[in-house]
Amino acid sequence: QMQLQESGPGLVKPSETLSLTCAVSGGSITSRNWWSWVRQPPGKGVEWIGEVYHTGSTNYNASLKSRVTISVDKSKNQFSMKLTSVAAADTAVYYCATKNYDLRHFNYWGQGTLVTVSS
Amino acid sequence: DIQMTQSPSSLSASVGDRVTITCRASQSISIYLNWYQQKPGKAPKLLISAASSLQSGVPSRFSGSGSGTDFTLTISSLQPEDFATYYCQQSYSTPVFGGGTKVEIK
Repeated sequence: QMQLQESGPGLVKPSETLSLTCAVSGGSITSRNWWSWVRQPPGKGVEWIGEVYHTGSTNYNASLKSRVTISVDKSKNQFSMKLTSVAAADTAVYYCATKNYDLRHFNYWGQGTLVTVSS
Repeated sequence: DIQMTQSPSSLSASVGDRVTITCRASQSISIYLNWYQQKPGKAPKLLISAASSLQSGVPSRFSGSGSGTDFTLTISSLQPEDFATYYCQQSYSTPVFGGGTKVEIK
């Protein structure tokens, strides 16, 4: 059973960079899975941010593409996200999640971590 | 980008009611449509993949149907533990979620 765990600061100042890491256990980051970040502003819906494959290939939400970078660290079995120039609208619960390369649905999720953007 | 529109955005229902939630894609996505259930403070949980494939451990009162642009999630007899928010998600291209449907107690 694969498990994902997000980590990172819970508070980020406006205009700064939000950095989160997702540790993967119970499976290898080099398996046939895409590794994603998904966010949910308080009281709102779910928004996919982007994904990375263990080869380093990435796909991003067009609305965030200019500000987001997702990368994989095979030595640590984890993947990370950086979101630059954050504003209050980026306040959200951030989830890491994974989907099988062929099946395409999100079958494993982290518990989520709330990141607040505030000075 | 493909847009996903869910309706209704919320509904009130009683235990035992039959509930139907609709999801419409802005272009054909074949059967690349998944349904998730989310309870407060928890991550979404996959219920149905590929439009109609029930995930292991999900009660049989949940069912999904549709193809192309129009899809439905049906709960045949609503149970107390089913009060939650439901999201559709297209997996035809880069993932997009619908806006969600909150199922509340009447």
